[in-house]
Amino acid sequence: AQRVTQPEKLLSVFKGAPVELKCNYSYSGSPELFWYVQYSRQRLQLLLRHISRESIKGFTADLNKGETSFHLKKPFAQEEDSAMYYCALDAGNNRKLIWGLGTSLAVNP
Amino acid sequence: EAQVTQNPRYLITVTGKKLTVTCSQNMNHEYMSWYRQDPGLGLRQIYYSMNVEVTDKGDVPEGYKVSRKEKRNFPLILESPSPNQTSLYFCASGGQGSSYEQYFGPGTRLTVT
Repeated sequence: AQRVTQPEKLLSVFKGAPVELKCNYSYSGSPELFWYVQYSRQRLQLLLRHISRESIKGFTADLNKGETSFHLKKPFAQEEDSAMYYCALDAGNNRKLIWGLGTSLAVNP
Repeated sequence: EAQVTQNPRYLITVTGKKLTVTCSQNMNHEYMSWYRQDPGLGLRQIYYSMNVEVTDKGDVPEGYKVSRKEKRNFPLILESPSPNQTSLYFCASGGQGSSYEQYFGPGTRLTVT
C-alpha cells in the first residue's frame, strides 16, 4: 500500500541546532516526493521536491531508496522555521498526493 | 498575482442546510483538488479534477459534490451537511509536468452544528 509516515508529531529544537524531520514512504514504483510547509496563519506551500535537488531556506532532503526515506534537514535551525511540515508522495495516479500526518517544528530561542 | 482563492474563509451552518464553498485559480491549471484537514488524520483528498468536465472521487467523497464547468473554478458542494463534515477545507491546483507543484488556497473553516 502507498503510505507516507512522519513518525514525529512534534519536534522541538533550539535556535542554531541541527534539525531533521523524518519521512518514510511505501511505494512500489519510482517515487516523487515533496516537502510542504505551513507557517502559522498561512497557506500550505511547496518547500522542496526531490527531483530538483535544491536547497530552499537552508533545507535539503535526499531521497534514499534503500531506506525508503526522504528526511528534511537543516544544519542550523532558525526561529522562523517554526511551522508544520508535511511530506507528500506523488502516487503517479492522476496526480494524487499521499500525505504524511505532518510534523510540527518548534524552534526555541 | 498567481493564487488560489476560496470563499468563504469561515462558515458556521446547521445540519442539512446546503452550502457551496467556491475555489478559483488564475494560473490556467488543469488540475484542481479538494482536501479536508482534521487533527490526527492529516490531509485527505475529497475530489479532484484533471480538467474541465473531468472529476473523480478522492479518498473521502461521501457527502460532497463538485463540478468543473470552467477551468478556473472548482466549487465544493455539501448538499446536506452533517456535523462530521466540520473541518478545515483546502482547495489546490496544479499545472502540467512530471513533477508538479500544488498551489493551495487559504482554507475554509467549516463548522456544522
